[in-house]
Amino acid sequence: QKEVEQDPGPLSVPEGAIVSLNCTYSNSAFQYFMWYRQYSRKGPELLMYTYSSGNKEDGRFTAQVDKSSKYISLFIRDSQPSDSATYLCAMSARTGGFKTIFGAGTRLFVKA
Amino acid sequence: EAGVAQSPRYKIIEKRQSVAFWCNPISGHATLYWYQQILGQGPKLLIQFQNNGVVDDSQLPKDRFSAERLKGVDSTLKIQPAKLEDSAVYLCASSGQGAGRADTQYFGPGTRLTVL
Repeated sequence: QKEVEQDPGPLSVPEGAIVSLNCTYSNSAFQYFMWYRQYSRKGPELLMYTYSSGNKEDGRFTAQVDKSSKYISLFIRDSQPSDSATYLCAMSARTGGFKTIFGAGTRLFVKA
Repeated sequence: EAGVAQSPRYKIIEKRQSVAFWCNPISGHATLYWYQQILGQGPKLLIQFQNNGVVDDSQLPKDRFSAERLKGVDSTLKIQPAKLEDSAVYLCASSGQGAGRADTQYFGPGTRLTVL
């Protein structure tokens, strides 16, 4: 079993839709949770960073962490064609020396 | 502020040949990471440096891969000899905090390696 599971998609939605991206994990020690966006032929860039459980909102993006279910989500409101990219969840733990473990990424296409 | 620089951007080699990648992190960043990203997968950490010392190289295939960061700034990653399964994007990242702290990693554009 992988430490971090993420559906690779692809996920195709119309412009303006609400997008929900999810990851599950098995290591209960994870306490730092991140979402990265990766455009084609580019390196990942950090979108959201959350410590422990709860919600965090930044503009059109909301990150949720449910540690009891070992489940994290990223919501994108009013999706735009420019949001078309691969979204990688990532997490780390103090006990692991903060080594970041990435999910496989979900490819998102937002159609105009 | 300049980002993480990597070169070359693309490299095609035959199996059993050697190849080297170069990374220049963001100025002042003490921690440098090399990741391997195989098509359809997330990045996998190969090696982490804190200044010029190795913090974690547990997933580096040391029989063929080597990396160095001699002056605590630039870094090179070498593969010798390359295998077909080494075809991947090699990403360099840097962060400003020291090892042992959660911190934002800034990624370069990557080097896309194709081994024929």
